Amino acid sequence: GENVEQHPSTLSVQEGDSAVIKCTYSDSASNYFPWYKQELGKRPQLIIDIRSNVGEKKDQRIAVTLNKTAKHFSLHITETQPEDSAVYFCAASQGSNSGYALNFGKGTSLLVTP
Amino acid sequence: DTAVSQTPKYLVTQMGNDKSIKCEQNLGHDTMYWYKQDSKKFLKIMFSYNNKELIINETVPNRFSPKSPDKAHLNLHINSLELGDSAVYFCASSQQGNEKLFFGSGTQLSVL
Repeated sequence: GENVEQHPSTLSVQEGDSAVIKCTYSDSASNYFPWYKQELGKRPQLIIDIRSNVGEKKDQRIAVTLNKTAKHFSLHITETQPEDSAVYFCAASQGSNSGYALNFGKGTSLLVTP
Repeated sequence: DTAVSQTPKYLVTQMGNDKSIKCEQNLGHDTMYWYKQDSKKFLKIMFSYNNKELIINETVPNRFSPKSPDKAHLNLHINSLELGDSAVYFCASSQQGNEKLFFGSGTQLSVL
């Protein structure tokens, strides 16, 4: 099955700096790569996703890049704010058929200090 | 009008007991899941149901038995609870053709 590795496990940045979280996946059939944010005590929520036919996607301060050849994808957060502090999960999936589920990385705990 | 709701939010019980967690979604989705989040925050798929049929069972002990009476509900029954079952259990749903997961608020299970 799919194996998703995520680094780093913890990340501390100053407010205003950028944060980068990296993931690798093992199954070349994976074609959907979402990122979820989980605030303390809350449910995970989708913040951005990318499909294998796209190399980069941006939404305001958040961007995701995908390198299919190397089987890795990254989350970039610019101009970080204290409210960005949370655990971020990457995931990979082979598709939207019901036979496939999202396989998550182990999470990155991001702390943004004022 | 919470999209994916699960109950109870907290569950504290003794080892050896049997307990159930209920999940309901009002999004009209046809696929529902149970994920387990351990103390290290690792989110692991347990089960997936599509239109009441079991699709994914990720080597979960048979003490865990999911039941889907209809496509809007997926309950989780756990027999003979063990200390290692302590975790947060998240229900989620999606629509076939769209991988986006909508999570419930989680059930924190503590086995003493």
